[in-house]
Amino acid sequence: AQSVAQPEDQVNVAEGNPLTVKCTYSVSGNPYLFWYVQYPNRGLQFLLKYITGDNLVKGSYGFEAEFNKSQTSFHLKKPSALVSDSALYFCAVREDGGRRALTFGSGTRLQVQP
Amino acid sequence: DAEITQSPRHKITETGRQVTLACHQTWNHNNMFWYRQDLGHGLRLIHYSYGVQDTNKGEVSDGYSVSRSNTEDLPLTLESAASSQTSVYFCASSESGAYNEQFFGPGTRLTVL
Repeated sequence: AQSVAQPEDQVNVAEGNPLTVKCTYSVSGNPYLFWYVQYPNRGLQFLLKYITGDNLVKGSYGFEAEFNKSQTSFHLKKPSALVSDSALYFCAVREDGGRRALTFGSGTRLQVQP
Repeated sequence: DAEITQSPRHKITETGRQVTLACHQTWNHNNMFWYRQDLGHGLRLIHYSYGVQDTNKGEVSDGYSVSRSNTEDLPLTLESAASSQTSVYFCASSESGAYNEQFFGPGTRLTVL
């Protein structure tokens, strides 16, 4: 079975500072990992994904994520946070060879203070 | 531009009534999914489909049904609405490969009184 954990309900960071949103996963085989962002009263928007290859994945709006197989983690990062980055972030996993539906974490609310 | 739409965006109904939420995508994707979003639970999978005439149950499928008669549409039916089904419902679609990202609709907020 596949599962995802986002250990922080909320992350607070000052504008201009680097941000990290944590995600750990559990799968039996190789993982496909995704990050999505949700703004208020909107659907989820795709940010980036890891399939294979380079452990550092770059995505939309200056976000990147680092895949760490030994720690089974896929943390979302950004070098310099913007107030407009404030939103709800979801990590998701799909196991290679498994069903095509995603398993989502419970979400982390990012609050960027001016 | 291709898109995925949901209707209605908001719905209030009474316990015991049958409710159908529509989902329509113009991406020509084979895979379609229904999730519900509740505080503290993230998104949980209700039903999904890999193509026409194919449907599968997710983790929280009790009380819900879907049918897939064409590529574009995957309506979600609540057979007899219960207060526990008050939630925000999201439809999503993706191309067939397991590594492809899903595209989400704007959501339907359903309240069951």
